[in-house]
Amino acid sequence: QKEVEQNSGPLSVPEGAIASLNCTYSDRGSQSFFWYRQYSGKSPELIMSIYSNGDKEDGRFTAQLNKASQYVSLLIRDSQPSDSATYLCAVNIGGADGLTFGKGTHLIIQP
Amino acid sequence: SAVISQKPSRDICQRGTSLTIQCQVDSQVTMMFWYRQQPGQSLTLIATANQGSEATYESGFVIDKFPISRPNLTFSTLTVSNMSPEDSSIYLCSVEDQGQGRNYGYTFGSGTRLTVV
Repeated sequence: QKEVEQNSGPLSVPEGAIASLNCTYSDRGSQSFFWYRQYSGKSPELIMSIYSNGDKEDGRFTAQLNKASQYVSLLIRDSQPSDSATYLCAVNIGGADGLTFGKGTHLIIQP
Repeated sequence: SAVISQKPSRDICQRGTSLTIQCQVDSQVTMMFWYRQQPGQSLTLIATANQGSEATYESGFVIDKFPISRPNLTFSTLTVSNMSPEDSSIYLCSVEDQGQGRNYGYTFGSGTRLTVV
């Protein structure tokens, strides 16, 4: 059974601070890890992908992967009100499989 | 990344009827994925559609309820059959973004918001 766990929140962060979002997954065969942002009424938008242990940075976003702990995180630096959304952690075990999603964390950036 | 055109964007349907959702991709892709997002919930994979073969359904989803067509490498349809109010959800198609054998993530269509009354 493939499972992806996230704290549903809401997670409230002051504007300009760092938002930290966490995710754990159950399938040790998982190979690809993604963070999606979803605004209300919209489809998910890819923010970050990560495939190997360590950190991956892209602008204000940093994804961290620890396969031994089966843990993925997303850091958002200098948080902006426009970052307020639901963040979905998604995992793929490769091949023809699609994505297994967590329930999402609702992030609120307070101006 | 791929661009996906999905339609209809929304529909209100009577129970017992069927709705077919279409997704057109701007490039050839091997696999297309169909997801359901129930109100206030995350996305759940319904099935994977390969061109030229029957779709592969996830546990809890069956072909009679969600028949899928994949006539070519750029197009797929999902039909929601004999609808009940419990089928009210957002349905999304998705494709893998690949380049030179590498995976760059998955792109989603804009979704179809279905309300069954």
